[in-house]
Amino acid sequence: AQTVTQSQPEMSVQEAETVTLSCTYDTSESDYYLFWYKQPPSRQMILVIRQEAYKQQNATENRFSVNFQKAAKSFSLKISDSQLGDAAMYFCAYRRRDDKIIFGKGTRLHILP
Amino acid sequence: GAVVSQHPSRVICKSGTSVKIECRSLDFQATTMFWYRQFPKQSLMLMATSNEGSKATYEQGVEKDKFLINHASLTLSTLTVTSAHPEDSSFYICSAIMAGQGFSEKLFFGSGTQLSVL
Repeated sequence: AQTVTQSQPEMSVQEAETVTLSCTYDTSESDYYLFWYKQPPSRQMILVIRQEAYKQQNATENRFSVNFQKAAKSFSLKISDSQLGDAAMYFCAYRRRDDKIIFGKGTRLHILP
Repeated sequence: GAVVSQHPSRVICKSGTSVKIECRSLDFQATTMFWYRQFPKQSLMLMATSNEGSKATYEQGVEKDKFLINHASLTLSTLTVTSAHPEDSSFYICSAIMAGQGFSEKLFFGSGTQLSVL
């Protein structure tokens, strides 16, 4: 069975600085998708970025980028120029071939003004 | 982008009553919808997979008689919490996959329902 591990329950970063959230996963599948979701206090799940496993190039979305290391089964999220609106719970997620999503336990990100 | 509407956003009920939560895809057809449960400060746990026109499949440990799921159309799935008890109080979130898109398509999440059972 697939597992997703986020080892940082909470993190803090100064506004305008860069922060990296860690995520590792375990799977025997060769084709899958990985995601980072943001959950603000409203609890709406917001897709931040996604990575297709067969693509070697790391995904980027404006200030958000990932470091995808397939062999190491690592999928970290880098947030550049952190903003107050980035404060939220961040979930790393793995999408299986049957479309089920397995979530990590989450990392709460605090932005310090 | 695609929108998934979930209602109600918040519901308070008495112990022993049943509550129905709706998940509706507003601008696309969804052959598959998923129901998740989230306890305070915890992650999302998959409860069941809802497929249009067939019985839902439940994850291990989820009582199918307690959490009734119906996916009667390509745009609507409902979760009914029967004989609710305080321990059923939780945040419930649905997600939907756009029909015909294949494995590459993104999932779309509803805005969630906070259930409080008194």
